[in-house]
Amino acid sequence: NAGVTQTPKFRILKIGQSMTLQCTQDMNHNYMYWYRQDPGMGLKLIYYSVGAGITDKGEVPNGYNVSRSTTEDFPLRLELAAPSQTSVYFCASSRAYEQYFGPGTRLTVT
Amino acid sequence: ELKVEQNPLFLSMQEGKNYTIYCNYSTTSDRLYWYRQDPGKSLESLFVLLSNGAVKQEGRLMASLDTKARLSTLHITAAVHDLSATYFCAVDGNNAGNMLTFGGGTRLMVKP
Repeated sequence: NAGVTQTPKFRILKIGQSMTLQCTQDMNHNYMYWYRQDPGMGLKLIYYSVGAGITDKGEVPNGYNVSRSTTEDFPLRLELAAPSQTSVYFCASSRAYEQYFGPGTRLTVT
Repeated sequence: ELKVEQNPLFLSMQEGKNYTIYCNYSTTSDRLYWYRQDPGKSLESLFVLLSNGAVKQEGRLMASLDTKARLSTLHITAAVHDLSATYFCAVDGNNAGNMLTFGGGTRLMVKP
């Protein structure tokens, strides 16, 4: 099993551009999550999903959108990128309690 | 709103010494997790604590949970350099999505 995979690993965006961060898991987990981690800080939840077709906001959803059309994939969309979205983004999945994290995407908005 | 606080935020210790990291949280929860993060890397799961009084040990690390005090501890015994990393606790607020709220992290540096 590859576990949780994320693409791209790194990305530089100009202010106002849009992009999609990809997340895929091959563990057949129902729960999936997107977090952001700012330098020297803990993770904050952006969006989560409890199954295909079901998503909900976390603590910091503004400026982001998600969709969940399959169990495996949970893409995160950034519209009109802003410097405040410069961060490392982690995707995670779980079956019940323990969450398994992907390798992260380091995003810089300039 | 669930708040999770860790202390200390930064810990520099000598090899061979013992120390404890504390994780306090503000609302009732029976589930708490400890993660390790190396610089530039993802989070690695260390311990899953699912009930009051739970204690788990792996090598030089031992974690415990007291849900009545809303407190978890991560105890380090005879620290070695390889334990240098940032340690996060995360609390599941007993919500439908099993969403986690993370503490700010404890950056541990073990010096020879």
